[in-house]
Amino acid sequence: DTAVSQTPKYLVTQMGNDKSIKCEQNLGHDTMYWYKQDSKKFLKIMFSYNNKELIINETVPNRFSPKSPDKAHLNLHINSLELGDSAVYFCASSRAGGENTEAFFGQGTRLTVV
Amino acid sequence: AQKITQTQPGMFVQEKEAVTLDCTYDTSDPSYGLFWYKQPSSGEMIFLIYQGSYDQQNATEGRYSLNFQKARKSANLVISASQLGDSAMYFCAMREGGGATNKLIFGTGTLLAVQP
Repeated sequence: DTAVSQTPKYLVTQMGNDKSIKCEQNLGHDTMYWYKQDSKKFLKIMFSYNNKELIINETVPNRFSPKSPDKAHLNLHINSLELGDSAVYFCASSRAGGENTEAFFGQGTRLTVV
Repeated sequence: AQKITQTQPGMFVQEKEAVTLDCTYDTSDPSYGLFWYKQPSSGEMIFLIYQGSYDQQNATEGRYSLNFQKARKSANLVISASQLGDSAMYFCAMREGGGATNKLIFGTGTLLAVQP
């Protein structure tokens, strides 16, 4: 039983295409996130949703559009893909609130734009 | 300003020895949490250990312990009796208090290699 699952695991696509990454969590968490891990392994938050509402948008280009149909799902749609979008994208979830809530991560989606 | 600093890009340790991975943080919030995650070569992010800013004792989880020095703003991870399977990237992270808008902020990571 995977707690946070994201699909696909690998995604290779051409510049200019539009693609989506799906994420689902079965932990009953209220908060979900998207993180981007670049080629130097740095992890940076992109978005955070709490109960389907956008809470954090870390100055991500508007080609990236998250969608949360319900609190168990947070999908990431990317328009007009660019070479610089190549990275590993992680979905995560946590309980809402406090400083003591760890985040549980999906297995990551390695996006390669050619 | 960098909130989480990991100054060791890479570390080597002999199997069965202990190793300390450094992490310093910067916050003015009195309420915060510190976390360590492991990322093996397979790519997944595995939560290891948590330390709260108000915790009086250092956190321990099996072979992992956190050397929390609040005045120095450091939260070093100690792995005892290293195993080959400990070879991975290790990330220190912090979450400040404050409700739904708080987020996990990560350091740049330390790549640990355990040698037989």
